[in-house]
Amino acid sequence: NAGVMQNPRHLVRRRGQEARLRCSPMKGHSHVYWYRQLPEEGLKFMVYLQKENIIDESGMPKERFSAEFPKEGPSILRIQQVVRGDSAAYFCASWTGQGYYEQYFGPGTRLTVT
Amino acid sequence: AQTVTQSQPEMSVQEAETVTLSCTYDTSESDYYLFWYKQPPSRQMILVIRQEAYKQQNATENRFSVNFQKAAKSFSLKISDSQLGDAAMYFCAYRYLMNYGGSQGNLIFGKGTKLSVKP
Repeated sequence: NAGVMQNPRHLVRRRGQEARLRCSPMKGHSHVYWYRQLPEEGLKFMVYLQKENIIDESGMPKERFSAEFPKEGPSILRIQQVVRGDSAAYFCASWTGQGYYEQYFGPGTRLTVT
Repeated sequence: AQTVTQSQPEMSVQEAETVTLSCTYDTSESDYYLFWYKQPPSRQMILVIRQEAYKQQNATENRFSVNFQKAAKSFSLKISDSQLGDAAMYFCAYRYLMNYGGSQGNLIFGKGTKLSVKP
């Protein structure tokens, strides 16, 4: 049973470009959280999605950031017009949506903005 | 807002010795979950141990155990017989019950403690 997968593992973008981060949840999991980890910091919640539905985006910056989780395919976190302050590790975590609420984390995507 | 505080940015322990990492949190809720996560250099987040607030008994997982003091809002992690592979960042995390007070179950993390293990 494959775990949560994220790709790419490392992503380098120049200022002003777009970054697309992908998260494939564990099999049977229909809910995904995205977290951001700035250097020397803990993880901070960004957005919570169910397939085809954004449940809570209260942690996401209002501009330039968006997330989706289509019926088919991975969840995508999209950052438009990246700035240096977006450099961070982005993690997704998935769970089944019912029962015990343990979240299973992916390995993260490290975004570097040059 | 709920906050999680880890007051020890770095800790060091001799191999085979015991070390305790501190965590305090702030909440007005009576029921919630607490977790310790390990993040090695690979950056993978690994769940070490979890505690349900309604349980008085401290959780234990092999060499890892917690001291949960609900009234003091304290949740420390004890690592016994430390091993070189225990060297990592350790994060304490809090989570509301799902759908309670608008919560959607997201985790609230402390800033972490970097643990070094000396051979």
